[in-house]
Amino acid sequence: KQEVTQIPAALSVPEGENLVLNCSFTDSAIYNLQWFRQDPGKGLTSLLLIQSSQREQTSGRLNASLDKSSGRSTLYIAASQPGDSATYLCAVYNYGGSQGNLIFGKGTKLSVKP
Amino acid sequence: GAGVSQSPSNKVTEKGKDVELRCDPISGHTALYWYRQSLGQGLEFLIYFQGNSAPDKSGLPSDRFSAERTGGSVSTLTIQRTQQEDSAVYLCASSPGGGRNYGYTFGSGTRLTVV
Repeated sequence: KQEVTQIPAALSVPEGENLVLNCSFTDSAIYNLQWFRQDPGKGLTSLLLIQSSQREQTSGRLNASLDKSSGRSTLYIAASQPGDSATYLCAVYNYGGSQGNLIFGKGTKLSVKP
Repeated sequence: GAGVSQSPSNKVTEKGKDVELRCDPISGHTALYWYRQSLGQGLEFLIYFQGNSAPDKSGLPSDRFSAERTGGSVSTLTIQRTQQEDSAVYLCASSPGGGRNYGYTFGSGTRLTVV
C-alpha cells in the first residue's frame, strides 16, 4: 500500500529565505507526482506536475525535483514571500491500488513572516 | 467551464437530513474524484470515476454515502441521514485520461456543517 509522508508538518521562516519541503513515498511504481497549494478554507491549486520519467519541473520561484528510485521529492521555494503562506501537499499517481490512483501526504503548513 | 465547479460552496444541515453535493468537472475530463478533508486532517479518498468503468467506491466510509456520475460529466455525492462527524470540506477533482499525463484539477470544495 502506497504511503506518502511530508516533513516537516509545519515550517515558519522569515521573508526572503529559500526553503525546501520534503515528500517521500513508499512505492516507486508511480506515473507522476504533483505538488499542490491549499489556502485556509479553500480548495487545492496545482503548482507543479512531475512525470515519473522527469527529474524536475520549474515554475517561477518554485522548483520540484523527483527521485523515483529513492521515493523522494522536494519542493524548493526561492525568496519566500508572506503570500507563500499556505499548506503544501504532494500527491502521487499510482499504477493502481484500492484507493484509486492519487495518494496524498498530510501536507506541510508554511508560514512566511514579514 | 474553465475549471472544476462545486456547489454549494457552503452547506449547513441538521443532523439526520440528507444532502447532495454537486461537481461539474472540466469538459472532456474522463476521470473524477471525490475527497473529504476534515478539520486539520489530510485528504481522505472517497470515490473515483473513470470513463464508463465501474467506479472505485472503496473509500466511501459507510453505506450512507453514495455518488453517481451522469453522462460521464456531472457528479453528485449524496450523504443520507447526516451525522456530525460528516462535517468536512468535500473536494472534487477531474483529469483528462485518468491523470497519468496531466495531473488533477480541484474545485474549491463544499464546506458541509452538520448541526
